[in-house]
Amino acid sequence: DTEVTQTPKHLVMGMTNKKSLKCEQHMGHRAMYWYKQKAKKPPELMFVYSYEKLSINESVPSRFSPECPNSSLLNLHLHALQPEDSALYLCASSRDRTSSYEQYFGPGTRLTVT
Amino acid sequence: AQRVTQPEKLLSVFKGAPVELKCNYSYSGSPELFWYVQYSRQRLQLLLRHISRESIKGFTADLNKGETSFHLKKPFAQEEDSAMYYCALNSGSARQLTFGSGTQLTVLP
Repeated sequence: DTEVTQTPKHLVMGMTNKKSLKCEQHMGHRAMYWYKQKAKKPPELMFVYSYEKLSINESVPSRFSPECPNSSLLNLHLHALQPEDSALYLCASSRDRTSSYEQYFGPGTRLTVT
Repeated sequence: AQRVTQPEKLLSVFKGAPVELKCNYSYSGSPELFWYVQYSRQRLQLLLRHISRESIKGFTADLNKGETSFHLKKPFAQEEDSAMYYCALNSGSARQLTFGSGTQLTVLP
């Protein structure tokens, strides 16, 4: 299995809702990432987990809360989001964070905040 | 601080013509550079990495440290090459990817 899967594909939520995005990989990768991508823009790194520990938080607002329950799963918990948070949220994984191994990207969750 | 510059937002070429997508980087250390591609309605995927020096789908890219460039080239473009191309730099102690702003390539029939 060489894919990163993400659920749901699409999500519409109000500003007072609480929701979660899920990401899964079974490639034995020990680094996992969350990116935010606006239309026609490059992905922007949000969080990096290395060996299930949060190693990078790119000054992301606390309304985004990542969680890595085990080496195969990565969640992004959302609460009290703003309309400007609407974007494609990408999950990625790589064999290791400390080398030039490629990152494998999931298809993304398209989030709309109303 | 590291930076990746792709000067062309849009690039159109005719089928069979050569294509070059430009990428320049700014980084004081030893860079690791990649080209990622995003076809319409598909996930972002790796196209090339500089350390492997391989040709994928007819594309090649050579790291020029003197010019701090990693341009992507293909001698004969195909319509299926139409996509968004991102140059990315893996750098720093955190080894995180910094993406360029991307070039939308359109290959015309």
